[in-house]
Formats: sequence, structure tokens, C-alpha cells
Amino acid sequence: AQTVTQSQPEMSVQEAETVTLSCTYDTSENNYYLFWYKQPPSRQMILVIRQEAYKQQNATENRFSVNFQKAAKSFSLKISDSQLGDTAMYFCAFLDSGGYQKVTFGTGTKLQVIP
Amino acid sequence: KAGVTQTPRYLIKTRGQQVTLSCSPISGHRSVSWYQQTPGQGLQFLFEYFSETQRNKGNFPGRFSGRQFSNSRSEMNVSTLELGDSALYLCASSLASGRAAGELFFGEGSRLTVL
Repeated sequence: AQTVTQSQPEMSVQEAETVTLSCTYDTSENNYYLFWYKQPPSRQMILVIRQEAYKQQNATENRFSVNFQKAAKSFSLKISDSQLGDTAMYFCAFLDSGGYQKVTFGTGTKLQVIP
Repeated sequence: KAGVTQTPRYLIKTRGQQVTLSCSPISGHRSVSWYQQTPGQGLQFLFEYFSETQRNKGNFPGRFSGRQFSNSRSEMNVSTLELGDSALYLCASSLASGRAAGELFFGEGSRLTVL
């Protein structure tokens, strides 16, 4: 069974600064997908960024980028130029390519952006 | 395009009762997944349906069941409610194929309180 570990329960960052959220995972699969999802307070969870394991290039989406280290099974999220709207719970998630839509989530990191 | 709609948003039940939650996916999405979110356990996968078939099931007791209709709408049912069933139940829909694998679109959730 796959596991996803987020070792930072809470983090804070000053507005306009950069912050990195950590995530490690454990799997014996070779083909899989990794995700970061964002859950703002009392709002719907949304997908922030997606990485396919076979791609060596790190995914980027505007101010969000990942550092994917397949051998180390590490998948960190970097948020640049942090904005107040980035305040949310961030969940790292895993899906193996043969797992249909059974996505495994980490326990989350609560990020607070301070004005 | 309308998002994922979950009803009811809030409900209070007593131990021993049963509850049915409903989820209407995004139009065109044939996969519907259900997750239980609690502060202690995080997001736990319940089950996933695709074209009316349950493709995957999480580690929950048989009291938790679900189904999907021909229009892709889904329901989940919890019988003989226990205090520990108090949680936010999230529904997510997806295209569930190729480039969209793992890309889940979440509803706002149904918050169940068991007294």
C-alpha cells in the first residue's frame, strides 16, 4: 500500500515571500502521479499542480512549482510570491497508474500567509 | 459548467440511525469518488464508481455503501451510525482517463454530526 507523509503540520510565510512544503511517499510502483491539492478555509479542495512520475521535468503552474526527486521519493511544493489567498490546507497526494481514481492523501500542511 | 454538487450540506443524526448523501458530478464526468475527512485521520478513501460499477473500495466497514446511477449521480449510505462517523464527506468527480488521471474535482462536502 502506498503512503504519503507530510511532516510539517503547520507553516507560516510572510506575504510576497517563498515557502516550500515537504512531502515524501512510499510505493513499489514505477508509474504513478503526484499531486498537490489546496483546501482553503471552508471552501472546496482544488488541484494546484500535477506531476507524472515518468517525466523528469518538474511541473510548474504560475507561482507554484514542485521539486520531484523520484529516487528519494520526495515531492515538495514551492510557492513563490506568497499571497493572502494562498492561506489554506495543502495536501500531497499519490495515484498509481493502475489504481483507477483511488488517490491517497497525506495529512496536510496548514499554511498561513501573514500580511 | 456547474461544479460538483453535494446534498445535504449539513446534517445531524443520532447513533443507530442511517444517512444517505448525494453527489451530482460535473457533466461528462463518469467517475465519482467518496472521501471521509476528519481532523484525526485526514482524508480517507471510501470508494470509487465508474459507469455504475464500484471499481475500488477503501478500508471501511460494510456499514458504508454506495451506488452510482446511469446519469453518473452517486449516493453513499451509512447505516447504524456511530459517533466516530462524524466527519466531512467529500465527493469528487473526474474524467478518470489519460491526462486527467487523478485530477479530482471536489464538492463542498456534507458535514455529518452524529450525536
